[in-house]
Amino acid sequence: LAKTTQPISMDSYEGQEVNITCSHNNIATNDYITWYQQFPSQGPRFIIQGYKTKVTNEVASLFIPADRKSSTLSLPRVSLSDTAVYYCLVAMNSGNTPLVFGKGTRLSVIA
Amino acid sequence: DSGVTQTPKHLITATGQRVTLRCSPRSGDLSVYWYQQSLDQGLQFLIQYYNGEERAKGNILERFSAQQFPDLHSELNLSSLELGDSALYFCASSIRDRGNYGYTFGSGTRLTVV
Repeated sequence: LAKTTQPISMDSYEGQEVNITCSHNNIATNDYITWYQQFPSQGPRFIIQGYKTKVTNEVASLFIPADRKSSTLSLPRVSLSDTAVYYCLVAMNSGNTPLVFGKGTRLSVIA
Repeated sequence: DSGVTQTPKHLITATGQRVTLRCSPRSGDLSVYWYQQSLDQGLQFLIQYYNGEERAKGNILERFSAQQFPDLHSELNLSSLELGDSALYFCASSIRDRGNYGYTFGSGTRLTVV
């Protein structure tokens, strides 16, 4: 599995756009990039997945440059309820190794 | 409601005891994964079952065991409990036996060993 590096924590004010960058220098050709969100005392929740360029859904956008060595999760206009830990994972969609979660990025949204 | 049901939500027990955690996967999902989350270790993968068979093993202690039943629900058995086993235990399910397809997690069981 490709190793990922992301900031341990970030702070943001309500209403701002938040960008969390994940570094995955040894990403393999068949790897996909997936982000999960975890609220306190709840299980992680799938947010978004992408392979290259840009993916957008109702929750977030995921930007992946051409070399795929990093990715950026963008949360538009965050609210207090977006306070959570965000995990970046890199793995093959057809791989046979269960997902391995790192420490994630703890996002604190301040009023 | 994610569709993955874990019971009980909270469990308090004494050292040396044995407990069983239960997980019902989302309808249609055949894989069940167990994870342990403690404050200092983050989310640690324990074990995976697919359609009743063990498929992958992570950092699961010998005192812990699991199984998946014909109706696809799974149980995680923790025995000879120690204070350090206090943690949140999550179950996740997915439709396939492998791969990075979306995992759906339950709300977890908070185990406190006193």
